[in-house]
Amino acid sequence: GESVGLHLPTLSVQEGDNSIINCAYSNSASDYFIWYKQESGKGPQFIIDIRSNMDKRQGQRVTVLLNKTVKHLSLQIAATQPGDSAVYFCAENVVQGAQKLVFGQGTRLTINP
Amino acid sequence: DGGITQSPKYLFRKEGQNVTLSCEQNLNHDAMYWYRQDPGQGLRLIYYSQIVNDFQKGDIAEGYSVSREKKESFPLTVTSAQKNPTAFYLCASSIGTGPQYFGPGTRLTVL
Repeated sequence: GESVGLHLPTLSVQEGDNSIINCAYSNSASDYFIWYKQESGKGPQFIIDIRSNMDKRQGQRVTVLLNKTVKHLSLQIAATQPGDSAVYFCAENVVQGAQKLVFGQGTRLTINP
Repeated sequence: DGGITQSPKYLFRKEGQNVTLSCEQNLNHDAMYWYRQDPGQGLRLIYYSQIVNDFQKGDIAEGYSVSREKKESFPLTVTSAQKNPTAFYLCASSIGTGPQYFGPGTRLTVL
């Protein structure tokens, strides 16, 4: 079956540095990928998405990169701030007749002052 | 959280009881979803519905039931057949091929 995984379960960065969160996916037929941010006790918050016909997409302070050759997805956060502390999930939309997301385990991002 | 509401925020269930979790959205989204999240883990799909009066099982549907009588509402019932129901339950909705947007969640605890 399809699966989405993460290279690192935790990531600690200095405030002001850039953060890079990685994700591997296994289903080469997936055509849509989403990054979510989840703070403790809250629902996931949509950050940015990318379709398989693109390899890069930028938002406000965030960039998502997609490498279909090695089935790898990354989220880059520029100038990391304390408010960026959260668990970040990548999700893969498996096209099986309906939009169905498969989530990775998540990466916890902590910011050091 | 957008226009998705879930209630209650916390719910306690005695063994053998059925409980129903509410999910309402005013985003005019066609599709709605229910996920379960266990501590330190990702989300797993329970049920989803693409249109009114239609729904499909997700990866972990056993012990759960849903209905979709209105576009705005997608309640989830956790039945006594669900042997380990303690978890954080998340509802989401989407339109077309766009992203899913999540509600604030309901934390269910079995006493």
